[in-house]
Amino acid sequence: AQSVTQLGSHVSVSEGALVLLRCNYSSSVPPYLFWYVQYPNQGLQLLLKYTSAATLVKGINGFEAEFKKSETSFHLTKPSAHMSDAAEYFCAVSASSASKIIFGSGTRLSIRP
Amino acid sequence: DADVTQTPRNRITKTGKRIMLECSQTKGHDRMYWYRQDPGLGLRLIYYSFDVKDINKGEISDGYSVSRQAQAKFSLSLESAIPNQTALYFCATSVGGAGNEQFFGPGTRLTVL
Repeated sequence: AQSVTQLGSHVSVSEGALVLLRCNYSSSVPPYLFWYVQYPNQGLQLLLKYTSAATLVKGINGFEAEFKKSETSFHLTKPSAHMSDAAEYFCAVSASSASKIIFGSGTRLSIRP
Repeated sequence: DADVTQTPRNRITKTGKRIMLECSQTKGHDRMYWYRQDPGLGLRLIYYSFDVKDINKGEISDGYSVSRQAQAKFSLSLESAIPNQTALYFCATSVGGAGNEQFFGPGTRLTVL
């Protein structure tokens, strides 16, 4: 079975500061990992995904995430936060043998001026 | 035009009423999903369908039913709505196979009084 844990339901950073959103996963088989973003009053959209091609994955809007098997982590980072990054972020996992995606509980990112 | 549409976008109803939420997609995907989102719980899978004749229960299917009328249409019904079904409901689609992203509709906000 697969699961994800997002550490911190709410993260607040200053504009221009580093963004770090934490995600740990559990999977008995090699996982596919995703980060989705949800802007207010919208559905989720894909930021990036890990499919074993490379451990450092670059996504849209300057975000990237690094797959660390030894730490079972897939943390999301962005070097410099922008006001438009304020949203809810979801980490998700899918097993290599299935199509279902298991979502974490989400982290709300706030940006301080 | 949006690739995944949901109707209605907002609905307020009373306990005991039958409610249908509809989802349509123009992406040509075989697989469709229904999720509910509750604060602090992330997204939980209600039902999913891999094609018109293949419908499966998710982790929280009690109190819900679905119908896959065509490849492009997937409806979610609440036969007798109750207040704890108040939530944000999302439809999603994907192509078959592991590791493929899901594409989300804009959501339906349902309130059961």
